[in-house]
Amino acid sequence: GAVVSQHPSWVICKSGTSVKIECRSLDFQATTMFWYRQFPKQSLMLMATSNEGSKATYEQGVEKDKFLINHASLTLSTLTVTSAHPEDSSFYICSASGMEDYNEQFFGPGTRLTVL
Amino acid sequence: GQNIDQPTEMTATEGAIVQINCTYQTSGFNGLFWYQQHAGEAPTFLSYNVLDGLEEKGRFSSFLSRSKGYSYLLLKELQMKDSASYLCAVLDSNYQLIWGAGTKLIIKP
Repeated sequence: GAVVSQHPSWVICKSGTSVKIECRSLDFQATTMFWYRQFPKQSLMLMATSNEGSKATYEQGVEKDKFLINHASLTLSTLTVTSAHPEDSSFYICSASGMEDYNEQFFGPGTRLTVL
Repeated sequence: GQNIDQPTEMTATEGAIVQINCTYQTSGFNGLFWYQQHAGEAPTFLSYNVLDGLEEKGRFSSFLSRSKGYSYLLLKELQMKDSASYLCAVLDSNYQLIWGAGTKLIIKP
């Protein structure tokens, strides 16, 4: 099956620093990658959709300059949380699609970000 | 607007059967997914329905009625490890996945 990895699994940082999260599709080429954020006891919230080699499409309310997304290749996308603040603490999950006709999304294991 | 409704929480007994319902109103329809999510982990794929009817996969089955905008996930022979949140998601006309809030399933011995 399709495998998606994320790194790091968890990160603790000080307020004001930037954090980069990597998402990799290990055994398939992902034409599209998605970044989600999930707060405790809530459902997934789509932040942005990115296609390889083009700019990401951000959902309404998501700041482009704060959440920088780069999708440089068919197997790697990165999300950088710039100048992180405590309210950015959340579970960030990426997913990738590209294998099946019905665009099934394969999820990475998630990254738990805690901003002190 | 787009909307997906599913119960917030359900409780069932080990060994029993439980049905988790999902109703949706979306702009277009290109399929419905069910995902399982354990606490602190990412969702894992359970099923995909795009045609009406029942899809069976081991202890889990998923049903779809497009005319009614309705789906359910049926879990048989419940095990303690089935305690998790179950997310219903619909692929709309733009192939964007619209997520329900999830149903937390609690299994009691």
